[in-house]
Amino acid sequence: GENVEQHPSTLSVQEGDSAVIKCTYSDSASNYFPWYKQELGKGPQLIIDIRSNVGEKKDQRIAVTLNKTAKHFSLHITETQPEDSAVYFCAAKNFNKFYFGSGTKLNVKP
Amino acid sequence: GAVVSQHPSRVICKSGTSVKIECRSLDFQATTMFWYRQFPKKSLMLMATSNEGSKATYEQGVEKDKFLINHASLTLSTLTVTSAHPEDSSFYICSARDRAGPNIQYFGAGTRLSVL
Repeated sequence: GENVEQHPSTLSVQEGDSAVIKCTYSDSASNYFPWYKQELGKGPQLIIDIRSNVGEKKDQRIAVTLNKTAKHFSLHITETQPEDSAVYFCAAKNFNKFYFGSGTKLNVKP
Repeated sequence: GAVVSQHPSRVICKSGTSVKIECRSLDFQATTMFWYRQFPKKSLMLMATSNEGSKATYEQGVEKDKFLINHASLTLSTLTVTSAHPEDSSFYICSARDRAGPNIQYFGAGTRLSVL
């Protein structure tokens, strides 16, 4: 099956700085890569996604890049704000299933 | 965006009792729903895939008789934890895939189960 690895496990940045979270996947058949934000005690919320036929996607302060050859994709958050503090999960869709990374706890210091 | 409602958000029960958790897609039809379990500070572990009108597909190591899944309609799936024990205490999260957009998965808010 698919194996998704995510780094770093924790990330602390100053408000206004950028944050980058990286994920790798193992199966080239994976074709859809969503990113989720999970706040304490809540379910994950989709924040951005990218399909395998696209290399980059941007939505305001959030962007995702995908390198299919290297099998890695990254989440970029610019101009971070304290409300961005949460746990972020990457995922890869492989046939009918979603495989999740281990999560990154992002702390944005005011 | 699409909304998935999960109830209850929190449940405390005695050991040996059964607990039912509901997952509803409020504004879209979901032929497929997923049930996950999440341990503290850990990632989501897929328990089973629930398909409307058919039996659920369980992941390896998940007891189907322990975690009963029913997906009777395009907007509702239920997970019943039967004869719950303290080790079943966890955060259970459902998700639903929009029939119109097969790649997009929307999550419920989760259910915190505590078995005494």
